[in-house]
Amino acid sequence: DAKTTQPNSMESNEEEPVHLPCNHSTISGTDYIHWYRQLPSQGPEYVIHGLTSNVNNRMASLAIAEDRKSSTLILHRATLRDAAVYYCILRDVAGYSTLTFGKGTMLLVSP
Amino acid sequence: EAGVVQSPRYKIIEKKQPVAFWCNPISGHNTLYWYRQNLGQGPELLIRYENEEAVDDSQLPKDRFSAERLKGVDSTLKIQPAELGDSAVYLCASSLVTGSNTGELFFGEGSRLTVL
Repeated sequence: DAKTTQPNSMESNEEEPVHLPCNHSTISGTDYIHWYRQLPSQGPEYVIHGLTSNVNNRMASLAIAEDRKSSTLILHRATLRDAAVYYCILRDVAGYSTLTFGKGTMLLVSP
Repeated sequence: EAGVVQSPRYKIIEKKQPVAFWCNPISGHNTLYWYRQNLGQGPELLIRYENEEAVDDSQLPKDRFSAERLKGVDSTLKIQPAELGDSAVYLCASSLVTGSNTGELFFGEGSRLTVL
C-alpha cells in the first residue's frame, strides 16, 4: 500500500479554518485519497474522498495537488466537536481494497 | 437507520481466559471488517469478509484468534486464550461494495478489552 505522511498534531482556535496536510508522494494512478476522523471513544467515521479534482461536502473540503502527491483537508470553521484524530488514507479505486490506517493527525481545538 | 452495533462495549478478563466480541453490521452491507486499535495507534486490520468468505485474514493471529460470519450477516471474533498484549479496542466495520462505489466504511463504537 502507498503510504501517507501527516503531522502528529495540530492546534486550532474555534471558528477558525483548519488546513490538515497529507503527503503521498508514491500515490498510484488508481488510488483515491480518503479522509476519516476518529472522535474520542468512538470508531472512525468517513469525512471525504477524492481522486483528482477538489471535493466539497457538508463536513469539509478536500484540495488535491495537481501532481496528486499531496492533499489538504479543510475544515472551514472549526468547532470543539471537530477535535479528533484525522486519518489520510490511500485506497485503490476497487472498492474491495482494505483501508490501511496510519497514526493520523490529532487536531486540538481551543475555545 | 441503525449503525454498526458491537457488544460488549467493555470487557475485563484475566489472562488465559477466553473472550468473544459480537458485531451486527448495517443491513445489506456485504463486506465486514474487524480491526484492532492499540492506544495511540491507528486501527489495524485483522480480517475482512466479503459475504461469508474471509478474503483477507493475513494479520489475524490464528493460534489464538478466530472469527466467523454466519449467513453473511453477524460476526463474532474470539480470542482463546487471551494474553496481556491483547488489551486493545476491537472495532467492527461494514460497507456495501458494488462495482460503482468506493465502499465507505461504517464503524461501530468498538469493544474495549482489558486483560489483567
